Amino acid sequence: QQQVKQSPQSLIVQKGGISIINCAYENTAFDYFPWYQQFPGKGPALLIAIRPDVSEKKEGRFTISFNKSAKQFSLHIMDSQPGDSATYFCAASIRGDYKLSFGAGTTVTVRA
Amino acid sequence: NAGVTQTPKFRILKIGQSMTLQCTQDMNHNYMYWYRQDPGMGLKLIYYSVGAGITDKGEVPNGYNVSRSTTEDFPLRLELAAPSQTSVYFCASSFPLEGSTNEKLFFGSGTQLSVL
Repeated sequence: QQQVKQSPQSLIVQKGGISIINCAYENTAFDYFPWYQQFPGKGPALLIAIRPDVSEKKEGRFTISFNKSAKQFSLHIMDSQPGDSATYFCAASIRGDYKLSFGAGTTVTVRA
Repeated sequence: NAGVTQTPKFRILKIGQSMTLQCTQDMNHNYMYWYRQDPGMGLKLIYYSVGAGITDKGEVPNGYNVSRSTTEDFPLRLELAAPSQTSVYFCASSFPLEGSTNEKLFFGSGTQLSVL
């Protein structure tokens, strides 16, 4: 049973467009929400992360929006570039428990 | 710095064979993990270790074993390979600060295993 539900499974966006990936969780004990980026043939790498005391975090073209009451968080990729084509995983963990629960992943394809 | 190194990169096993997936890290991280990645399923935790001599089960431990005799190495053992173990396996490590959540996992490049 997936503790973190991620959608969509895949998306295609034109260069310069916005990619949006959504995640939802049930466990209110989760207090750390990272996003990992994975290129083909490579392991995932931490992209950006947020804690529930803020509603938004931005790093360059990547933004996490967090809605604590709805138990949802999302990743927005602004001005999408072909180099952003990858699989993105949302995840969550509980303070003091160092195991991450991952979403199923979203494959993003950016068309030039 | 090599980071997290996994070997082999690819392997084909016959049903019932055994093998060990190797993982080593040179960052002096105390926490290490094994995940498997299946299409559309994300990453599932198999086993993890919080330090040398300490291991514990994750979500999907059946059919696997681990050991942690040193800080650097965390091998994953498949004793009787089954087709259901066909997957991509990732080893990861981290160094969480006491009382914090897991700040960052460093992943290896993975081992693609097929059991036929």
